[in-house]
Amino acid sequence: AQSVSQHNHHVILSEAASLELGCNYSYGGTVNLFWYVQYPGQHLQLLLKYFSGDPLVKGIKGFEAEFIKSKFSFNLRKPSVQWSDTAEYFCAVTPPVDTSGTYKYIFGTGTRLKVLA
Amino acid sequence: DVKVTQSSRYLVKRTGEKVFLECVQDMDHENMFWYRQDPGLGLRLIYFSYDVKMKEKGDIPEGYSVSREKKERFSLILESASTNQTSMYLCASSLLSGKYEQYFGPGTRLTVT
Repeated sequence: AQSVSQHNHHVILSEAASLELGCNYSYGGTVNLFWYVQYPGQHLQLLLKYFSGDPLVKGIKGFEAEFIKSKFSFNLRKPSVQWSDTAEYFCAVTPPVDTSGTYKYIFGTGTRLKVLA
Repeated sequence: DVKVTQSSRYLVKRTGEKVFLECVQDMDHENMFWYRQDPGLGLRLIYFSYDVKMKEKGDIPEGYSVSREKKERFSLILESASTNQTSMYLCASSLLSGKYEQYFGPGTRLTVT
């Protein structure tokens, strides 16, 4: 089945460590890609998005992601994490429009990141 | 700033009750969505609407219905609540779909006993 995969379910890092969270999707054609973050007790908010152009996308709070079309991947990175980055991170994809003519947003299962002070 | 509000943060209902979850957005967005969020399963789409009075089923519509009578309001209805519908329910809106980001509400944590 077509899907969005986040293979890291739980990640624990110390402050200042580098972060890379994986996201892979299985849709062909043109896709739009998103990373959202959910801080404890808060609503989901957009970190960054990609739909065309430079495959290296910079987002808020020092996060970036790289779209590698040949690998169907959109991994999230941050060079040096902080305690305040503790949150759950979701990758999302809008696949090519389906036969009904509408787009759906397909989410991965999320990665819980804990940063130790 | 886009604001998406949901009628309740916490709700406790009994099995068999009819439950209404309300969502309102204030940015004239065309699209609205209802998801449920469960640990280890991520966000799963229940229903979405791309226009007033228009709706489409998502991946898990069974046991749910929706209503969109006005552009800014999208309601999720649990016709007869069951314990397996205990979950966090998230509403979202987007200007259009495809490359447009979604804006999420704070969520409603529903417990069905």
